[in-house]
Amino acid sequence: GAGVSQSPSNKVTEKGKDVELRCDPISGHTALYWYRQRLGQGLEFLIYFQGNSAPDKSGLPSDRFSAERTGESVSTLTIQRTQQEDSAVYLCASSLVQGWTEAFFGQGTRLTVV
Amino acid sequence: RKEVEQDPGPFNVPEGATVAFNCTYSNSASQSFFWYRQDCRKEPKLLMSVYSSGNEDGRFTAQLNRASQYISLLIRDSKLSDSATYLCVDRRNTGNQFYFGTGTSLTVIP
Repeated sequence: GAGVSQSPSNKVTEKGKDVELRCDPISGHTALYWYRQRLGQGLEFLIYFQGNSAPDKSGLPSDRFSAERTGESVSTLTIQRTQQEDSAVYLCASSLVQGWTEAFFGQGTRLTVV
Repeated sequence: RKEVEQDPGPFNVPEGATVAFNCTYSNSASQSFFWYRQDCRKEPKLLMSVYSSGNEDGRFTAQLNRASQYISLLIRDSKLSDSATYLCVDRRNTGNQFYFGTGTSLTVIP
């Protein structure tokens, strides 16, 4: 498809396990963003990738969270030793850098830590 | 001060009503703004861009007031299908970051 694709759509994991979430951005979009949205809350910025520049990691809540992106392709968000407070929807978005165009979101990964 | 601030509501309005949301932003140099719509348990989707001259798309009108650093969204003739959370977004021209407000909840009542 032409949109942002995220997988899995749902993930239930036990407390203490590691999880990996995947985001496939729109082709040609050099900017990629990860956000977290807890139930009933707003979007919380996590990390931003732009091309081959160093990522902006200022939103990562703890060292249990990390993300990678190779070039302008797929990104993975990894949460180690998951905690119950990590339960949320993790949204990925991509955008062009040139021009003031909007960000396009994937459908998100709903993570439940039990 | 938050980068973008919105009244969370909720706004409960009858069908056919006109409703307006405001959103304030902190960075006086910002030039690019959007309104997104987010339905329950769905991802945010672009509703409309906000141009400095204002823009209109059917029942929706967005305006920018640089002097007071706020943007607005006006919805006329509200429909049940307009029920959603509306997110205000400031896209910075430096750093390429998107700053999202926490959203304003709208429920249109039959």
